[in-house]
Amino acid sequence: QSALTQPASVSGSPGQSITISCTGTSSDVGGYNYVSWYQQLPGKAPKLLISEVSNRPSGVSNRFSGSKSGNTASLTISGLQAEDEADYYCSSYTSINTLVVFGGGTKLTVL
Amino acid sequence: EVQLVESGGGLIQPGGSLRLSCTVSGLTVRSNHMTWVRQAPGKGLEWVSFIYDDGTTYYEDSVKGRVSISRDNSKNTLYLQMNSLRDEDTAVYYCATYQLLIGAFDIWGQGTVVTVSS
Repeated sequence: QSALTQPASVSGSPGQSITISCTGTSSDVGGYNYVSWYQQLPGKAPKLLISEVSNRPSGVSNRFSGSKSGNTASLTISGLQAEDEADYYCSSYTSINTLVVFGGGTKLTVL
Repeated sequence: EVQLVESGGGLIQPGGSLRLSCTVSGLTVRSNHMTWVRQAPGKGLEWVSFIYDDGTTYYEDSVKGRVSISRDNSKNTLYLQMNSLRDEDTAVYYCATYQLLIGAFDIWGQGTVVTVSS
């Protein structure tokens, strides 16, 4: 069982916006602004999308945005496109000795 | 351009050993925090081991005592020595850089497949 809780799947139509949640505790998501999001296209390695809750690395589309409230972080994808269909993972620093915890991943289907 | 290229995976019997390699170009392993992250078939991501730039190492509980992370600065290569392999170690193993100041794995290799089966 993953330390961070994500919905197993979400879906949306092209052009719509979707949000993926990532729920942890005060020892990880709620206690630190070190939440990251990763996109994993089918058969590919993960790619960093968002760091420090809401920062986009250079080259990442501004259609991807991150936020946090309490122990829950969120990834929002606006203007959904077919190529956004992928698995999305959150991660967070944790004060527990595991250092970093991941969410179980969310499969995004673009209808 | 930064590239991380993993190798060394394969089919291995339970109880066996493997050494994974991650050849790095475009950055120096000794100056970066490096890590191995694995993904079991159809499952999520799980960090396996870290080696910080100062040489400090960390291991996930399920691999402690069976796995060793190291680097060869002259070859700019990261390694993961895996011993006493179990069925549950079957996964794609990725090497990645870890940016401690932002708490993120920012550059990933393409992965190498380890299958533990008799």
